Amino acid sequence: NAGVTQTPKFRILKIGQSMTLQCAQDMNHNYMYWYRQDPGMGLKLIYYSVGAGITDKGEVPNGYNVSRSTTEDFPLRLELAAPSQTSVYFCASSYSLKETQYFGPGTRLLVL
Amino acid sequence: RKEVEQDPGPFNVPEGATVAFNCTYSNSASQSFFWYRQDCRKEPKLLMSVYSSGNEDGRFTAQLNRASQYISLLIRDSKLSDSATYLCVVNYYQAGTALIFGKGTTLSVSS
Repeated sequence: NAGVTQTPKFRILKIGQSMTLQCAQDMNHNYMYWYRQDPGMGLKLIYYSVGAGITDKGEVPNGYNVSRSTTEDFPLRLELAAPSQTSVYFCASSYSLKETQYFGPGTRLLVL
Repeated sequence: RKEVEQDPGPFNVPEGATVAFNCTYSNSASQSFFWYRQDCRKEPKLLMSVYSSGNEDGRFTAQLNRASQYISLLIRDSKLSDSATYLCVVNYYQAGTALIFGKGTTLSVSS
């Protein structure tokens, strides 16, 4: 099993550009999550999904959108990139809300 | 506000030392507790779950005090490879919150 995979590993965006961060898992997990981690800070939940077709906002959803068309994939969309979105983005998955979350390797995003 | 507080450190210790990290959480409704380890520029990885009765995994011992809303991690006989940031994590089992992460405690083990 590859676990949780994320692409790209690193990206530089200009202000106002858009992009999609990809996340996939092959563990047949129902729950998937997107977090961002700023330097010296804890992880903050952006969006989560409890299954295909179901998504909901986390603590810091502004400026982002998600979709969950399949169990495996959970892309994160940035429509109008802003410098405040410079961060490391981690995708995670778990079998249930009570179970351990497994993280992908992260995407480092720099918005200039 | 639901929060998890940790001493950020850094803790600088020699190999072989015993070091303890503490963590407090604000919401008494918390249901499960974890310690994750995060290496520099890497993703967090589960180190161990924390049970009410306390639990041990090799050199690592985790304790939970629900009355005081306090979690601890003890590392014995520190190794160079233990150098990392240790994240205290609390799960409230409530939709929209998932895991609440502390900011982490940085450990540096030197020879």
